[in-house]
Amino acid sequence: RKEVEQDPGPFNVPEGATVAFNCTYSNSASQSFFWYRQDCRKEPKLLMSVYSSGNEDGRFTAQLNRASQYISLLIRDSKLSDSATYLCVAGDSGGYQKVTFGTGTKLQVIP
Amino acid sequence: DTGVSQNPRHKITKRGQNVTFRCDPISEHNRLYWYRQTLGQGPEFLTYFQNEAQLEKSRLLSDRFSAERPKGSFSTLEIQRTEQGDSAMYLCASSLPGYNSPLHFGNGTRLTVT
Repeated sequence: RKEVEQDPGPFNVPEGATVAFNCTYSNSASQSFFWYRQDCRKEPKLLMSVYSSGNEDGRFTAQLNRASQYISLLIRDSKLSDSATYLCVAGDSGGYQKVTFGTGTKLQVIP
Repeated sequence: DTGVSQNPRHKITKRGQNVTFRCDPISEHNRLYWYRQTLGQGPEFLTYFQNEAQLEKSRLLSDRFSAERPKGSFSTLEIQRTEQGDSAMYLCASSLPGYNSPLHFGNGTRLTVT
C-alpha cells in the first residue's frame, strides 16, 4: 500500500463546477499536510497547507480528517486555469521530517 | 530571484556516463531534499539533508547515486554509470525547520539517458 494515495483521475469538469479530491495517508504519525499544484512538465508549487480545523483560500477549501486519515481539497467555481495535477502531501513530525507525495490527481476544466 | 535554483535544466547523456546536478536552496532554508519524478507519478523521495548532514537516503537510491551538501548551502547529486532507467526529472526542494514548513521546489533537472 502506498503511503499517500490519490485517485489519478482525470477529472474532467465544466467551467464553473465544483470538484473535490480526496487523499488517504497510511502513516498515523503524519503531522503536516499540504496540497501542491503541478502544471505539465513544471515543478510542484504549494497550493495550500492543510490545518486540523480546515482552511479556505479563496475558491479552495482543504479539510483534514485524522480519524479516517484522509485529506480533501474542494475547488469551487472551477476556472480553465485550474487545469493541473494536484498532489497530496503528508509529512511526519520526527527529527527527520519525511515528506511523502501522492501520485497526483489530474484535473481538466473544460470550457 | 530568491527561489530554489537547479542546474542544468536539461541533461542528455549516453548510458554509462556520469552526470552531476546542482541545487542552490533558498538561503535561510536548512533542509534540502532531492526527489525524482517520472511521467504520471508523484515525486519520489531520494535523500534529505539538514544543514550539511545527510540524514536519510531512500532505498531507491542505488550505490550509483551520491549526494553532498558540503557547507550546508548548495547540494550536488551525482549519478555514476547512468542507465536508461535513470531518465527522469530530478527535483530539489528546500524548507525552513519545523514540521509545518512546506517544501519549495526548484525548476528541476530533466535527465535523458540514451
